[in-house]
Amino acid sequence: QTVVTQEPSLTVSPGGTVTLTCASNTGAVTSDYHPNWFQQKPGQAPRALIYSTTNKHSWTPARFSGSLLGGKAALTLSGVQPEDEAEYYCLLFYGGTQRVFGGGTKLTVL
Amino acid sequence: EVQLVESGGGLIQPGGSLRLSCAVSGFTVSSNVMNWVRQAPGKGLEWVSVIYSEGRTYYPDSVKGRFTISRDTSKNTLYLQMDGLRADDTAIYYCARDSQWSYDYWGQGTLVTVSS
Repeated sequence: QTVVTQEPSLTVSPGGTVTLTCASNTGAVTSDYHPNWFQQKPGQAPRALIYSTTNKHSWTPARFSGSLLGGKAALTLSGVQPEDEAEYYCLLFYGGTQRVFGGGTKLTVL
Repeated sequence: EVQLVESGGGLIQPGGSLRLSCAVSGFTVSSNVMNWVRQAPGKGLEWVSVIYSEGRTYYPDSVKGRFTISRDTSKNTLYLQMDGLRADDTAIYYCARDSQWSYDYWGQGTLVTVSS
């Protein structure tokens, strides 16, 4: 069974920088997995932030960036704002047939 | 403007069937890769199904053989037929577009509750 793992929770101070990661139990995450990142706030649908590892949507704030880091996909928030407090999910593509979401990271801005 | 609007959720008994709809405006469903994603109460996101423009469909093992994704070109609508429903299928069900490996547009979701 394919499992994608994220940090369950992280805390960051306003204005600080934080990196969330996304790992696969099948091995190193590469660009072939086309990592996506989503933000979800309570009571809302997920909102797309990053696709294919590093690409931003037109609505993605500049402080969000995606990368590969040590065999994992990574989402970095620089200059964190209070409104960035949310749950963040990654998604990996396993070929054209399967997709798996990570368990989510609850980001607290404190 | 792109809009995805899900409907068809509700309370259903275990073993029952339900068909969800996702009405789309702003792009053509049959020309895009479309997905269903669900979220159980207080839990994370789970991919449920995908349909490609040429009609290929795929499912995770958790729903394979019970759920069927389809579309109606004339109505520009995506469907999810759910049979043999179980308590652990209780979730908010979202439809989402997959555009070049990017889940860019999502609906607001419809709640399915499986309970006796």
